[in-house]
Amino acid sequence: KNQVEQSPQSLIILEGKNCTLQCNYTVSPFSNLRWYKQDTGRGPVSLTIMTFSENTKSNGRYTATLDADTKQSSLHITASQLSDSASYICVVIASGGSYIPTFGRGTSLIVHP
Amino acid sequence: ETGVTQTPRHLVMGMTNKKSLKCEQHLGHNAMYWYKQSAKKPLELMFVYSLEERVENNSVPSRFSPECPNSSHLFLHLHTLQPEDSALYLCASSQGSRTSSSYEQYFGPGTRLTVT
Repeated sequence: KNQVEQSPQSLIILEGKNCTLQCNYTVSPFSNLRWYKQDTGRGPVSLTIMTFSENTKSNGRYTATLDADTKQSSLHITASQLSDSASYICVVIASGGSYIPTFGRGTSLIVHP
Repeated sequence: ETGVTQTPRHLVMGMTNKKSLKCEQHLGHNAMYWYKQSAKKPLELMFVYSLEERVENNSVPSRFSPECPNSSHLFLHLHTLQPEDSALYLCASSQGSRTSSSYEQYFGPGTRLTVT
């Protein structure tokens, strides 16, 4: 069964600090992995999309890594800001003819001043 | 904003009511999606419309009925819902067809549905 596990479930950090969110998956066959940011009361917004051949991808202060061998991904946030407070969702898309997403439950990040 | 709008933003309905959720995308995409987001649970894909073809998650109850009259509009018709259907319903759109899994999706703000 395809699964995506995210950790930690929630995280509280001080403004300006860095943090790393984890995503482990068992989805196969693999097509791509996505990280989304979801602010309270809003829809998810895409941060990165990573395919099998990509190890690292950055979007401003967000850097995602992918290890397709161990089926792990991480999202690193540098110099956190109050606006980074949100839920971060990892999604893995299986290949095979149709759009088949498997979503993680998300990591709730709170950045305190 | 992402270019995907949803109305209403909030909806409270009784179990015997019939209502519809509306989604409109202004991005020129040709695939649209309905998702359900319940508290403490992962997002769940309900339906995909691509090039006027529909794909559905077989676990979605028949009390949810989608309609896609054209590539810019998507509806979710609701009837005789249950309290456990209370959730955030998200619409998304993307370029490409349902078989193209690499395209970025753009989500609307969602409709917060409460079934009493």
